[in-house]
Amino acid sequence: QVQLVQSGAEVRNPGASVKVSCKTSGYTFTSYYMHWVRQAPGQGLEWMGIINPSGGSTTYVEKFQGRVTMNRDTSTNTVYMELSSLRSEDTAVYFCARGAIRGVIFTSIDYWGQGTLVTVSS
Amino acid sequence: EIVMTQSPATLSVSPGERATLSCRASQSVSSSLAWYLQKPGQAPRLLIFDASTRATGFPARFSGSGSGTEFTLTISSLQSEDFAVYYCQQYNSWPITFGQGTRLEIK
Repeated sequence: QVQLVQSGAEVRNPGASVKVSCKTSGYTFTSYYMHWVRQAPGQGLEWMGIINPSGGSTTYVEKFQGRVTMNRDTSTNTVYMELSSLRSEDTAVYFCARGAIRGVIFTSIDYWGQGTLVTVSS
Repeated sequence: EIVMTQSPATLSVSPGERATLSCRASQSVSSSLAWYLQKPGQAPRLLIFDASTRATGFPARFSGSGSGTEFTLTISSLQSEDFAVYYCQQYNSWPITFGQGTRLEIK
C-alpha cells in the first residue's frame, strides 16, 4: 500500500533552516508528482510547491521563492523540503502529499504524509 | 492566483440531517476541484475530485457538484464520523489554492 512517512518534529531558532524528509513506498516513486503543503496552528492549508521525482524539476509558490528547496533521492524513494531563513510565522505542520494522477502536475492529492511539526522559536 | 472562498465558516448540523457546504472560485476552474476532510491531529483525506467523483472508501451520502466557479459538497445524512473540517482545492491553474475551510460541527 502507498505510504508517505515523514521525519519527526523539529525546533529551530529564527534565521535557521530546517529540512523535512518524506520517505515513500508502495508505488513507483518517479511516476507521481509530490506536493508540499503546510498548515499553521489552527489555520487552513497552504500549498508551497511541487517536485517531479522523475527529473527533479520543481515549482514553488512565489511567496517561498528563494527560501524553499525541494529535492529527491531516487535511490531511497525520498523527497525533501528545506526552508531557510525561518521566522515565527513558519511555525506549522508540513505535509508531503502525492499527486493523484501519474505524470500529471496539477491534480488532486490522494495520499498524505503524517505531517511534521516545525516550531520556530527563540 | 485563484482565490477559493468557502461558506459558511462553521456549520452546525444535527446527526441524520443534511449538510451543504459551498466553495466559490474567483475565476473558472472548470471541474478541477477537490474536497478534503480533516480531523484534529490528522492529515487531510481526499473526499471528492474532479468536482463530483467520490474517492475510494467514501459512502454515497457524500456528493459533489458544480463547475466553473460554484461548487457544492452535500452530505445527505450526517453521521458522527463526518464532523470535521472540509477544504476545497482548485488544481486548474498555478498556483494550486485551497479554501479556508468549513468546520462542520454537531448541533
